[in-house]
Amino acid sequence: AQKVTQAQTEISVVEKEDVTLDCVYETRDTTYYLFWYKQPPSGELVFLIRRNSFDEQNEISGRYSWNFQKSTSSFNFTITASQVVDSAVYFCALSEGGGQAGTALIFGKGTTLSVSS
Amino acid sequence: DTGVSQDPRHKITKRGQNVTFRCDPISEHNRLYWYRQTLGQGPEFLTYFQNEAQLEKSRLLSDRFSAERPKGSFSTLEIQRTEQGDSAMYLCASSSRAAMRTEAFFGQGTRLTVV
Repeated sequence: AQKVTQAQTEISVVEKEDVTLDCVYETRDTTYYLFWYKQPPSGELVFLIRRNSFDEQNEISGRYSWNFQKSTSSFNFTITASQVVDSAVYFCALSEGGGQAGTALIFGKGTTLSVSS
Repeated sequence: DTGVSQDPRHKITKRGQNVTFRCDPISEHNRLYWYRQTLGQGPEFLTYFQNEAQLEKSRLLSDRFSAERPKGSFSTLEIQRTEQGDSAMYLCASSSRAAMRTEAFFGQGTRLTVV
């Protein structure tokens, strides 16, 4: 069965602190995709990154970085030097299969990040 | 293009009434998804269209729910005989077929409150 677990419900940090959001997934497929989305108070889910199961290279984009480890089924997200604008709910999601159909995203419950000044 | 558009943004309805939501995807996207999100939870998949064909439906989509995408462009989601448990944010997303598994872009959602 497929599942995404975000064990951290809420995290509070002070500006400029680094913060890591954890994501653990379960799947029986060998081909799958992992995603992170940000949901600010406005409600719209904003795509951050997609990673396929064959690409374990870590990625850095500005203050954001992602650590994908198949051995531990984890896809963690780190924000370096956090800012108040980073305050949002962050979702990790899984999409299974390598087929043609646009299969659904399976989301975790999200981690609420609060960054104070 | 301004992204995925959903209308209305908010809807308050009395229990037992029917409601209909509309989603306009990004114009070149042929895939369209509906999700439901309740407070404190991640979005849950409801249904998926490729062009006008509804290819996948979740078991969450009870008989009271129906979705259409008649011309392969905009989509509607109707809930008949609403119940208080239907109160949630209904999210629409679209994606392109250009790549095997490209990311889905989400709209701002329609927040439904059933009183």
